[in-house]
Order: sequence, then C-alpha cells, then structure tokens
Amino acid sequence: AQTVTQSQPEMSVQEAETVTLSCTYDTSESNYYLFWYKQPPSRQMILVIRQEAYKQQNATENRFSVNFQKAAKSFSLKISDSQLGDTAMYFCALELEWGNMLTFGGGTRLMVKP
Amino acid sequence: DAGITQSPRHKVTETGTPVTLRCHQTENHRYMYWYRQDPGHGLRLIHYSYGVKDTDKGEVSDGYSVSRSKTEDFLLTLESATSSQTSVYFCAIRSEQAGYNSPLHFGNGTRLTVT
Repeated sequence: AQTVTQSQPEMSVQEAETVTLSCTYDTSESNYYLFWYKQPPSRQMILVIRQEAYKQQNATENRFSVNFQKAAKSFSLKISDSQLGDTAMYFCALELEWGNMLTFGGGTRLMVKP
Repeated sequence: DAGITQSPRHKVTETGTPVTLRCHQTENHRYMYWYRQDPGHGLRLIHYSYGVKDTDKGEVSDGYSVSRSKTEDFLLTLESATSSQTSVYFCAIRSEQAGYNSPLHFGNGTRLTVT
C-alpha cells in the first residue's frame, strides 16, 4: 500500500515571499501521479498542480511549482510571491497509474501574513 | 464548481440512527467518490463508483454503504451512525474524457456530527 507524508502540520510566510511545502511518499510502483490540492477556509478542494512520475520535468502553474525527486520519493510545492489568498490547507496526494484511489497526506496549514 | 452538489451541508444526528448523504452531479461523469476528512489524516476514500450499480470499497468502508441507481446521484449511507463517523464528507467526480488519472473535482462537503 502507498503512503503519503506531510511533515509540516503548519507553516507561515510573509506576503510576497516564497514558501516550500514538503511531501514524501512511498510506493513500489514506477508509474504514478502526484497532486497538490488546496483547501481554503471555504472548505472547497481545489487542484493546484499535477505531476506525472514518468516526466522528469517539474510541473509549474503560474506562481506554483514542484520539485519532484523520484529517487528520493519527494514532491515539494513551492509558492512564489505568496498572496493572502494562498492561506489554506494544502494536501499532497498520490495515485497509481492503474489505480482508482488517491492517497492523501495529512495536510499542511499555510498562513500568509500581511 | 464542476456541477457537484452535496446535501445536506450540515447534519447533527444521534448515535445509532441511519444517515444518508447525497451527491448530485450534472456532468454525466462515470466516476464518483466518497471521501471523509479528519484532522491529521487528510482525505480517505470510503467508496467509489465507476457506473450505475457499479461500486467498490475504499480504505475506510466499514460502517458505510453506497448506492448509485442513476448516473447523477451517488448516495452514502451510515446504517447506524457512531461517534467515530463524525467527520466532513466530500464527494468527488472524475472526467474520463480528461484521461484516466485526471484530477478529481470535489463538492463543498457535508459536516456530519454524531452525538
């Protein structure tokens, strides 16, 4: 069975600065997909970014980028130019290529301070 | 919000009573999922469906049942609610047109409290 670990329960960052959220995972499979989801206080789950394990190039979406280290089984999220609207819970998730179930980490609560 | 509606948004019920949560989608997607969210655990899959009357168990299915008699509706039932089932429940759908491992689209959640 696969596992996802987010070792930082809470983090804070000043507005306009950069912050990196950590995620490690464990799976014996070679093909899989990794996701970062954001959950603001509204409780809605929003996809932030997605990475296919077979792609070596790190995914980017505007101010959000990942550092995917397959050998180390690490998938960190970097948020540049942090904005107040980035305040949220962030969840890392893993899905096997053949599977139909996302495995989520426990989440990191990010607070962006003005 | 990808056309997903969960009802109710909030519910308080007593231990031992049956509870049904409803997920309704307007996207005509085959795949639908029920997750529960608890502090420190992220989201955990309860059950999922890959078509009408086709369902399967997730990692925390004990104490829950589901039904899908129509494409648009996926019901989650707690046969006899327990305090350990106090949680926030999320429904999600997935578009098969966007690819097999396409991202999930989530509803706004149902906060269930079992007293």
